Amino acid sequence: AQSVTQLDSQVPVFEEAPVELRCNYSSSVSVYLFWYVQYPNQGLQLLLKYLSGSTLVESINGFEAEFNKSQTSFHLRKPSVHISDTAEYFCAVSDHQGTGNQFYFGTGTSLTVIP
Amino acid sequence: GAVVSQHPSWVICKSGTSVKIECRSLDFQATTMFWYRQFPKQSLMLMATSNEGSKATYEQGVEKDKFLINHASLTLSTLTVTSAHPEDSSFYICSARGWTGAGPQPQHFGDGTRLSIL
Repeated sequence: AQSVTQLDSQVPVFEEAPVELRCNYSSSVSVYLFWYVQYPNQGLQLLLKYLSGSTLVESINGFEAEFNKSQTSFHLRKPSVHISDTAEYFCAVSDHQGTGNQFYFGTGTSLTVIP
Repeated sequence: GAVVSQHPSWVICKSGTSVKIECRSLDFQATTMFWYRQFPKQSLMLMATSNEGSKATYEQGVEKDKFLINHASLTLSTLTVTSAHPEDSSFYICSARGWTGAGPQPQHFGDGTRLSIL
């Protein structure tokens, strides 16, 4: 069985400050890891993903996440946040097996950027 | 990039009405589509998984006869909430995923449908 834990349900941070949103997963098999962002009343948008290769992955808007296998973590970071980063962020894991793959989502972290 | 279109985005209807939600992959073949339900301030809960041409696989606790899923083509899946009641009010999100030699591709999500049953 797989599960995803997002330790922080709400993270308030001042504009231009750094932020880290934590994500830990449990899985007995190889995993693919994802971060999605959800703006109010919208669906999820893929922010970044780890499939293989370099453990540090980056998005086009300044976010990055590092896959740490020993700590089973995939924390999301940004060195300087903007007001527009205010949204709900979901960490997800997908397994490696067969065609019945599905995503397991964490409960989400609400990031609020304070002016 | 890949786009998934979900329609309608918002629907309000009377109790007892059946509501159909469409999910279309616009520029790729979606071998698998997923339907999620999201309650306020909570994560997405997978309702069912459907592979094109096959019957959907429902998660435990999801009523098959209440939530009818059809995935008749590689670009369209529909979710019909039959005889909807106020407790069915929620935000429903679909996603679609293709498959390449590199493995499963990330799911692409629709913008969701907010269903309100009066």
